[in-house]
Amino acid sequence: GNSVTQMEGPVTLSEEAFLTINCTYTATGYPSLFWYVQYPGEGLQLLLKATKADDKGSNKGFEATYRKETTSFHLEKGSVQVSDSAVYFCALSEWGNTPLVFGKGTRLSVIA
Amino acid sequence: DTGVSQNPRHKITKRGQNVTFRCDPISEHNRLYWYRQTLGQGPEFLTYFQNEAQLEKSRLLSDRFSAERPKGSFSTLEIQRTEQGDSAMYLCASRPGTEGANYGYTFGSGTRLTVV
Repeated sequence: GNSVTQMEGPVTLSEEAFLTINCTYTATGYPSLFWYVQYPGEGLQLLLKATKADDKGSNKGFEATYRKETTSFHLEKGSVQVSDSAVYFCALSEWGNTPLVFGKGTRLSVIA
Repeated sequence: DTGVSQNPRHKITKRGQNVTFRCDPISEHNRLYWYRQTLGQGPEFLTYFQNEAQLEKSRLLSDRFSAERPKGSFSTLEIQRTEQGDSAMYLCASRPGTEGANYGYTFGSGTRLTVV
């Protein structure tokens, strides 16, 4: 079945550091890929998405590129802020009717 | 439209009691999803609706769980004879019914259930 594997957290960074959160996936077909973010006490919010190979999703300084050859969708940000502290989830959906499948999440803490 | 609304935000119940949660999706979204999230884990799919039709149920959805979406608007998730293992955050999400996997879901803030 479809699955998503994320690097384990927690990840602790100093403000303005470079962030990478690794995500790899297994799918029988050709999925769309997503990153969601969950701030403390809130629901999940869509951060960015990519729907085909080599697409780059970007939002709020975060980026991720859909790499079919390595089945990966790593999340990056060049300079993190304290306000980026949250849990980040990688997810996939294979085609129209299949529900989103999530990774276990990676907790990011950014310290000033 | 203020997004996906879930009520209550928190629910504490005694083992063996029944509980019901409500989700109000974004009005123009005809797909509605229920997920469960336990501490340190990602959301796990429970079931989903297209309009009023329940199209898929996960094996996680035991016979103590039932979900409805009458009239294709709000949805309820009921858990009968609650067990301590049911303690979790229950998340609702909705999205447009347009075909294709390109649309992300809009999630509510969740209902946190604690079974004591």
